[in-house]
Amino acid sequence: NAGVTQTPKFQVLKTGQSMTLQCAQDMNHEYMSWYRQDPGMGLRLIHYSVGAGITDQGEVPNGYNVSRSTTEDFPLRLLSAAPSQTSVYFCASSLAGGKDTQYFGPGTRLTVL
Amino acid sequence: GNSVTQMEGPVTLSEEAFLTINCTYTATGYPSLFWYVQYPGEGLQLLLKATKADDKGSNKGFEATYRKETTSFHLEKGSVQVSDSAVYFCALSTYNNDMRFGAGTRLTVKP
Repeated sequence: NAGVTQTPKFQVLKTGQSMTLQCAQDMNHEYMSWYRQDPGMGLRLIHYSVGAGITDQGEVPNGYNVSRSTTEDFPLRLLSAAPSQTSVYFCASSLAGGKDTQYFGPGTRLTVL
Repeated sequence: GNSVTQMEGPVTLSEEAFLTINCTYTATGYPSLFWYVQYPGEGLQLLLKATKADDKGSNKGFEATYRKETTSFHLEKGSVQVSDSAVYFCALSTYNNDMRFGAGTRLTVKP
């Protein structure tokens, strides 16, 4: 049981480049979410999904896209990276939504030059 | 909107000292409240939670009580250890999956 996995661990992009951060969970959790962690600001919710085919915006969704085609996977796409998107990104999952215990992945550290 | 405010760090304590990290919240409705802990280089993991007023969450010697009248969820531990050194996050979640985290408090425990 691997829990929540994220790839890559580290990534450097140039402004304007696109990329996808991968997230997968093997706990059959319906709810998955993406956060960014910035110094002094805690974690902020980017997007979340309550099940396959259903996504919704969180607190800071601009510049990010998501889709949920399977229960296991929830990729986060940056279409045109900006330096303001330099951050550590965490994926999380839970059995029954935001009020349930969240299980976090190890994070992806992204730098946009 | 919903928000969480927690005491700024860093906090440095000696081993066996008493720990309090203050957390207050603003929310519509009846949120669930959480404390998550992040060890160096890792993702967050749940430390404890409470889902309704007057509930006490506890784990690994840590405790926090959901106080609706003061909108608080302060984290306490009677005797900290070096292994408790980490960043602690207070968080809330409401019925519509609006999850908010505090800025985090870095705790360092010295032998």
